[in-house]
Amino acid sequence: GENVEQHPSTLSVQEGDSAVIKCTYSDSASNYFPWYKQELGKGPQLIIDIRSNVGEKKDQRIAVTLNKTAKHFSLHITETQPEDSAVYFCAAVKAAGNKLTFGGGTRVLVKP
Amino acid sequence: EPEVTQTPSHQVTQMGQEVILRCVPISNHLYFYWYRQILGQKVEFLVSFYNNEISEKSEIFDDQFSVERPDGSNFTLKIRSTKLEDSAMYFCASKTSGTSGRTELFFGEGSRLTVL
Repeated sequence: GENVEQHPSTLSVQEGDSAVIKCTYSDSASNYFPWYKQELGKGPQLIIDIRSNVGEKKDQRIAVTLNKTAKHFSLHITETQPEDSAVYFCAAVKAAGNKLTFGGGTRVLVKP
Repeated sequence: EPEVTQTPSHQVTQMGQEVILRCVPISNHLYFYWYRQILGQKVEFLVSFYNNEISEKSEIFDDQFSVERPDGSNFTLKIRSTKLEDSAMYFCASKTSGTSGRTELFFGEGSRLTVL
């Protein structure tokens, strides 16, 4: 089945700096890649996603890139703010399926 | 804003006891899911449910687990005889469409199960 690896597991950045989280997936049949943010005591919440027919997508301070050949995708957060501190999960979904396969999560801490 | 609600937020139970975790998905959603997250580990898929039947399940979802949509609004996960290794955060999720296109999966805040 699909396997998603995520790095780093923790990331500490200074407020205003950029944060980058990388994920790799194993199944070339995966074609949809959402990113979730989980704040303490809450469920994961979708922040951005990308489909396999697109190489990059931006939404204000966050962007996601996808390299289908290498089977990896990344989340970029620019001008980080303290409220960006959370656990971020990448995920992959196969074309014919419904379930999300999650990466292991990255705990991001933005230091003021 | 519509949300997925889960109860209880935390349940402590003795090994061997039955547990029912409840979820109220968003009202116009058609696809329902349970995921779990053991402390410090990945969020793992358990089961998906559509049109009153299981559409997919993982190998974790063995005979001790069952799901039900008893009344058109609730979606429950039952663990028949809990084991220590069932201790985890259980997340319910729902979405409107089953296609793999951009259809957002909405998660509840989770039910923490502790098995002693």
